[in-house]
Amino acid sequence: AQSVAQPEDQVNVAEGNPLTVKCTYSVSGNPYLFWYVQYPNRGLQFLLKYITGDNLVKGSYGFEAEFNKSQTSFHLKKPSALVSDSALYFCAVRTGGYQKVTFGTGTKLQVIP
Amino acid sequence: NAGVTQTPKFQVLKTGQSMTLQCAQDMNHNSMYWYRQDPGMGLRLIYYSASEGTTDKGEVPNGYNVSRLNKREFSLRLESAAPSQTSVYFCASSESVTNQPQHFGDGTRLSIL
Repeated sequence: AQSVAQPEDQVNVAEGNPLTVKCTYSVSGNPYLFWYVQYPNRGLQFLLKYITGDNLVKGSYGFEAEFNKSQTSFHLKKPSALVSDSALYFCAVRTGGYQKVTFGTGTKLQVIP
Repeated sequence: NAGVTQTPKFQVLKTGQSMTLQCAQDMNHNSMYWYRQDPGMGLRLIYYSASEGTTDKGEVPNGYNVSRLNKREFSLRLESAAPSQTSVYFCASSESVTNQPQHFGDGTRLSIL
């Protein structure tokens, strides 16, 4: 079985400040972890993924995520938020022996000018 | 670069009517997926097709059927629509179920009265 939790429905951050969107996961086995972003009236767009290797993963638009095995977390971060980063963010997980990807419920990021 | 194309973009049905949602991808991907997105529930997998000629149930398959017409096309059918099926439906594709990420269409917004 696999599951993913995004504990915050919404995150507000001032433009220029660092942002963090939290994600924790539960799997039996090694996880494959993903972050996606969704803008209004659009489909999800891939940001970054962790498969193996370096715990700090860099992705599109200046985003990065840190894999922490002991805390079973994969938080999304960006050093300096932009108003255009305002969107809905989804964390997702898959395990090696399981074909399906499980998505979290999403976190709405609001960047305040 | 069309990516994943979904038709129609919007549809209103009456309870008991049937309809088919169409999806096509031009990335030569092997795997295709249908999700529904409801507020507060994230994305839930309805059906997926790991490769041409195969389909499998996801998390919420009841009330739906799918057809993998060829490598490019994967359709979702509602045989007798119910108000509980009011949702936004997303089609996605990936190189394979093990080789992610998934690429999403822009969705079909379906209302059932």
